[in-house]
Amino acid sequence: DQQVKQNSPSLSVQEGRISILNCDYTNSMFDYFLWYKKYPAEGPTFLISISSIKDKNEDGRFTVFLNKSAKHLSLHIVPSQPGDSAVYFCAASGSSGTYKYIFGTGTRLKVLA
Amino acid sequence: GAGVSQSPSNKVTEKGKDVELRCDPISGHTALYWYRQSLGQGLEFLIYFQGNSAPDKSGLPSDRFSAERTGGSVSTLTIQRTQQEDSAVYLCASSPSGNYNEQFFGPGTRLTVL
Repeated sequence: DQQVKQNSPSLSVQEGRISILNCDYTNSMFDYFLWYKKYPAEGPTFLISISSIKDKNEDGRFTVFLNKSAKHLSLHIVPSQPGDSAVYFCAASGSSGTYKYIFGTGTRLKVLA
Repeated sequence: GAGVSQSPSNKVTEKGKDVELRCDPISGHTALYWYRQSLGQGLEFLIYFQGNSAPDKSGLPSDRFSAERTGGSVSTLTIQRTQQEDSAVYLCASSPSGNYNEQFFGPGTRLTVL
């Protein structure tokens, strides 16, 4: 039973446009969410996080939105750059103090030049 | 800079053999994690070490899996009597004490069990 779901395995976006990656979760006890980015042959790298007390967190070109009622979060990348092409994983945990993250299956983003 | 390193990068083994996977965390990081990613799946938590505390082994899928962390640094994940379903990428991560939110991952070991 996938508690964290990324239903789009892949996404292609034109350079300069907005990339929107989506993530849904089923466990209402999750209250901390993260996005990781992974390039081929490398480990995932932390990108951005959000606590359930917020509905938006922004860091440069990256913004994460959280809709608790819909149990949905999304990552917006604006403007998208070719270097953003990677696999993006969302992850959730029961509190910001726990190390047990539940990861989604990832979405492969391809930014076309 | 020195990140998390893992060895080997690739391992092919025959069903029934034992394998050892190694992880060198970032120097000074007290927390170390092992995950695996099977084909088409998300990262699956396996085990967590924090300093000298007893490890959290709750994610290990069977008693064929074990892990050690010697001297609070290097960790070895051992899989005994490997099965084909053990084929996956095994990822190690480390983080500074008390900061679970930013885990630094190694490149992983791709294990293939024939």
